[in-house]
Amino acid sequence: DAGVTQSPTHLIKTRGQQVTLRCSPKSGHDTVSWYQQALGQGPQFIFQYYEEEERQRGNFPDRFSGHQFPNYSSELNVNALLLGDSALYLCASSWGQANTEAFFGQGTRLTVV
Amino acid sequence: GENVEQHPSTLSVQEGDSAVIKCTYSDSASNYFPWYKQELGKRPQLIIDIRSNVGEKKDQRIAVTLNKTAKHFSLHITETQPEDSAVYFCAANEAGGSYIPTFGRGTSLIVHP
Repeated sequence: DAGVTQSPTHLIKTRGQQVTLRCSPKSGHDTVSWYQQALGQGPQFIFQYYEEEERQRGNFPDRFSGHQFPNYSSELNVNALLLGDSALYLCASSWGQANTEAFFGQGTRLTVV
Repeated sequence: GENVEQHPSTLSVQEGDSAVIKCTYSDSASNYFPWYKQELGKRPQLIIDIRSNVGEKKDQRIAVTLNKTAKHFSLHITETQPEDSAVYFCAANEAGGSYIPTFGRGTSLIVHP
């Protein structure tokens, strides 16, 4: 079991560009949540996908969008990047039918210059 | 929505001492309280959790207590070791099926040998 895998591990982008981050959930999990973790802060919830639909969304602008595929993998897209978008982006997977723990991936470190 | 406060932000102890990290939450509907350990450059990993129908839970050197009336919960680490050094996050999750915990800002624990 590979656990939760994210790609890429590191990424450098220029302001105004667009970025796509990818996540494969742990085997048996059908729910994917995305978090933004700024340096020295706790993870902040962006949104959660279940059954290919965005189920809940945190306090993030529409520049942040996502998608979930039939195999439960997910993408996070960020448009019109700002310097403040620089952070560690974490994906967490869980089983959507129960209030159980989520397993985190290693994250993608995004730097916007 | 839920708001989780965590204290202290930094905790420095000598090897063998105990460490206590405290969190408060605002939403009385929250019923699941996980604690995560995040080592530098690594993913957050669940170390212990407690549900609202339990007041205390222990796992070897780690214990968590929950006071629902006061809406606070604490992590206790006894006989600390240098490998316990990491950032610890508390979180609170509302009942209802979706696992979307709200995280505290983290406590950087430093254990001096």
